[in-house]
Parts: sequence; structure tokens; C-alpha cells
Amino acid sequence: AQSVTQLDSQVPVFEEAPVELRCNYSSSVSVYLFWYVQYPNQGLQLLLKYLSGSTLVKGINGFEAEFNKSQTSFHLRKPSVHISDTAEYFCAVSEKGSQGNLIFGKGTKLSVKP
Amino acid sequence: NAGVTQTPKFQVLKTGQSMTLQCAQDMNHNSMYWYRQDPGMGLRLIYYSASEGTTDKGEVPNGYNVSRLNKREFSLRLESAAPSQTSVYFCASDAPRVSKETQYFGPGTRLLVL
Repeated sequence: AQSVTQLDSQVPVFEEAPVELRCNYSSSVSVYLFWYVQYPNQGLQLLLKYLSGSTLVKGINGFEAEFNKSQTSFHLRKPSVHISDTAEYFCAVSEKGSQGNLIFGKGTKLSVKP
Repeated sequence: NAGVTQTPKFQVLKTGQSMTLQCAQDMNHNSMYWYRQDPGMGLRLIYYSASEGTTDKGEVPNGYNVSRLNKREFSLRLESAAPSQTSVYFCASDAPRVSKETQYFGPGTRLLVL
């Protein structure tokens, strides 16, 4: 069975500082990996995804993530955050060839302070 | 192009009452999903529908029923609401080959069961 672990439930950071949100997964088969963002009182929006190819994936709003198969990780990074990045971030995994059912981590709340 | 829409946005129920949450998508997606989001739990899959006429259980199906009315619409029914069903409910849709594994989420329905 698949599972996703987001190691930090809350990450406070100052504006313009770099940030890394950590995600580890477990699966016995090949997977697709995703990061979704949820702004307050809204639905989820895709930030980026890894399906195949280059292990460094770039997404919207200046975020990027790197797939590390040996460490089963997919950490999300941004070199300089803005106040507007304050949101909850979810890492998710689905098995290749499956229906596409996503297994989500419990989320990381990013709080950017001025 | 509205994407994924959900009604109602908010609902308060008394224990034992029933209600149906509505979801519709205008992206011609084959697959649709219902998730619930609880604090500190991430999103958990309740039911999904891979195509019109099919439905399958997800991780937490107990207490819910679904209907895939047509390709556009996927409803979630609570026959006898319980306080444990207080949550935020999200509908999502995708077409794996077309949307490249990306699920598109609605804005959510906030349900309080007293």
C-alpha cells in the first residue's frame, strides 16, 4: 500500500527567505508524484507534478521539486517566498497504471511573515 | 468554462438528517472523485467513478453513497448524517490521458452535523 509522509505540519518563514517542504512516500510500484496548494477557504490547485523524465520539476509561482527515487522523496522548494505563498501544501502520490487515485499527505501549513 | 462546481457551499444538518452534495464538471472528464478533508488528516478518498455508470469505494466510504448521474455530474449522499461526518467535502475530476494525471478540484462544501 502506498503512503505519503509530510514531515512538517507547520513551517513559519520570513518573506524573501528560502523554504523547503519535505515529502517522503512509500510504494512497491512506480509512482506519479504531485504537490497541490490550498489557499484559505479554497479548493486545491496543482503546483507541479512528476510523471517521468527529468527528476527536477518546475511548477507555478516559482516552486520546484526534485524526485529522488533512492530516498523516496519529493521535496518542494522555493528560493524566495512571498506573503502570498501563505497556504497549505499537500504532497500526493498515485501508482502508475492505476485509476489515478491520489493518496495525500496530511499537509504542511506554510506561514510567510513580513 | 467553470471547471468543477459544487453545491451547496455550506450546510448545517442535525444528526440523522439526509442530504445530497452535488458536483458537476464541464471539462469532459471521464473520472470523478469525492474526498473529505479533516484537520491534520489531509484529503481522504470517499468514492470515485472511473467512467459514466461505474463507481467504486475509496478509503472511507462508510456512511456515504454516490451516483454518477451522467458524464458531467457525480453526487454524494449522506443518508443519516452523524457528527463524525462534519468535514469539508471536495469533488475532483480528471481524464488521465488528456489531463496527464492532473485532478481538478471544486471549491468545496463545508458541512457541519450537530
